[in-house]
Amino acid sequence: GALVYQYPRRTICKSGTSMRMECQAVGFQATSVAWYRQSPQKTFELIALSTVNSAIKYEQNFTQEKFPISHPNLSFSSMTVLNAYLEDRGLYLCGARGQGNTGQLYFGEGSKLTVL
Amino acid sequence: GQQVQQSPASLVLQEGENAELQCNFSTSLNSMQWFYQRPGGSLVSLFYNPSGTKQSGRLTSTTVIKERRSSLHISSSQTTDSGTYLCAMATNAYKVIFGKGTHLHVLP
Repeated sequence: GALVYQYPRRTICKSGTSMRMECQAVGFQATSVAWYRQSPQKTFELIALSTVNSAIKYEQNFTQEKFPISHPNLSFSSMTVLNAYLEDRGLYLCGARGQGNTGQLYFGEGSKLTVL
Repeated sequence: GQQVQQSPASLVLQEGENAELQCNFSTSLNSMQWFYQRPGGSLVSLFYNPSGTKQSGRLTSTTVIKERRSSLHISSSQTTDSGTYLCAMATNAYKVIFGKGTHLHVLP
């Protein structure tokens, strides 16, 4: 079946430092990967959508300068939270979609970021 | 903007009662999914339901695309059903947008 492995599961970092998280798709080709953030007491916000061979599309309030994303092949994607501050804390999820799949996302377990 | 309205925001049931969760979408959608969010935060996909009705055990999902709505029915609720249920819609641009969730609490 289709699986997405996401790591690290938890990170605690100091204000101003950065955190990188990775997603690995197993059992299917991840033609597009969406990165989300769930801040405390909120729902999931889409940060950006990355499609292989296309430019990465960032949502309003999220920038490449702050959340650079790499999607080098059909099985791997990474995102970094640069200069993390308190407002960046939350649960970050990657969701991957296979070729020809029109909507179903397979999610990783999430990376929880705590900023001190 | 594109919105997903999920209701009710919270629900308290006695064990054995049924639950009906709703999602309404402000724009046309390509498909939708229902998720259960574990206490640790990770998501369990319950249904990928572009249209029609799907059933899995005590759970039933019904999506009516032209009416821009979807529902999740939980029959004979159990205490282990407690948690947060999220619906998410995929737009024609293949973006997936989440609702704010329904927090379900089933009492013994």
